Amino acid sequence: DAGVTQSPTHLIKTRGQQVTLRCSPISGHKSVSWYQQVLGQGPQFIFQYYEKEERGRGNFPDRFSARQFPNYSSELNVNALLLGDSALYLCASSLAVIGGVRQPQHFGDGTRLSIL
Amino acid sequence: DAKTTQPNSMESNEEEPVHLPCNHSTISGTDYIHWYRQLPSQGPEYVIHGLTSNVNNRMASLAIAEDRKSSTLILHRATLRDAAVYYCILPSAGNMLTFGGGTRLMVKP
Repeated sequence: DAGVTQSPTHLIKTRGQQVTLRCSPISGHKSVSWYQQVLGQGPQFIFQYYEKEERGRGNFPDRFSARQFPNYSSELNVNALLLGDSALYLCASSLAVIGGVRQPQHFGDGTRLSIL
Repeated sequence: DAKTTQPNSMESNEEEPVHLPCNHSTISGTDYIHWYRQLPSQGPEYVIHGLTSNVNNRMASLAIAEDRKSSTLILHRATLRDAAVYYCILPSAGNMLTFGGGTRLMVKP
């Protein structure tokens, strides 16, 4: 079975530009989350979507936005890019919560975004 | 959200067991304990999770203290491919993950 797929794998942008990152979840998974991982640190939660609705948002500025489509794929948009946005952006999908048990999240290998 | 504390790094010899500790003294009664690992240049990978009883799967075992304030991830025979950063996490009610610094496991041949 296909895992979580993200595109593109690498991206180079300049300050002030806008970027869109894409994620396809594992078939059957309705929950998609986005994380930012700066070099040398653990991933930080950005957004969670479930059934096309935003269910959670981390401590990120409004320049970050996301959406989930009817097929449960998702896009992360970042406007007015800053040098500090250089990071690995990870997408994870899961079955969310079943019977009160938080289901494991399955991660893609990320999009590495470099800002020049 | 309840926080976890892990050692920054650990070393192991190949083919020996590895015990990775995690403290979570503020854990609530309904918090599950999840472990993920991240190999170089890859996204995090789910390893195992548990609530109260010890758990085993093909990758590892999870030993949970009776008071649930600590747990230990056990790799029964470390291989070079197990070299990674291991994260102990208590997912939030909404299943959002808060990653700390994790434990960097180095495996020596």
